[in-house]
Amino acid sequence: EIVLTQSPATLSLSPGEGATLSCRASQSVGISLAWYQHRPGQAPRLLVYDATNRATGIPARFSGSGSGTDFTLTISTLEPEDFAIYYCQEPSFSFGQGTKLEIK
Amino acid sequence: EVQLVESGGDLVQPGGSLRLSCAASGFSVGTNYLAWVRQAPGKGLEWVSIIYSGDTGATYYAGSVKGRFTISRHNSKNTLYLQMNRLGTEDTALYYCARVQRGKNYYYALDFWGQGTTVTVSS
Repeated sequence: EIVLTQSPATLSLSPGEGATLSCRASQSVGISLAWYQHRPGQAPRLLVYDATNRATGIPARFSGSGSGTDFTLTISTLEPEDFAIYYCQEPSFSFGQGTKLEIK
Repeated sequence: EVQLVESGGDLVQPGGSLRLSCAASGFSVGTNYLAWVRQAPGKGLEWVSIIYSGDTGATYYAGSVKGRFTISRHNSKNTLYLQMNRLGTEDTALYYCARVQRGKNYYYALDFWGQGTTVTVSS
């Protein structure tokens, strides 16, 4: 079973700043990693798949990088609507425990 | 427009059963991979089950529900189901259905999600 570990658990930033979220896999998943945004009361939203590909309609300020066991989701300039919980996920459907991005 | 609408969530006693439905529109359930994902109160996302497309429609389950839950679909109704038996308090969660998109190598990215339906298991 692949375990995904996300860090940090909570990230406190202000609108306009940049954010870097990490996801580490217990064994290599190649490029097969997805990122989701989950706002309270809403359905999760696919942001990135295959480590670097933005899903349809996702703003360019979201970018993914990495391969193998180490992955990063970068939000270049935080908008108010970006404050949410972010999850990574790999092909055997393990999810990371989430990173809460909160307003500082 | 792709839409998924879950229903069937309810309060049920431990040991009871429930069937969730997920009505799809904008695409065919028969030609897509579909999944159920749940979120227990205060917890993160947990994959529950997946059903593959086509006539074979292979199914897979998380260890925590294997032998108790059954995923299925009705192509002409364009609906996905999750039959849940022998429910325990640990199954209390918001249940989402989602469509599975193929990446370069695997079907795994969940590109469309419903709003979820709530299952509460309590006496």
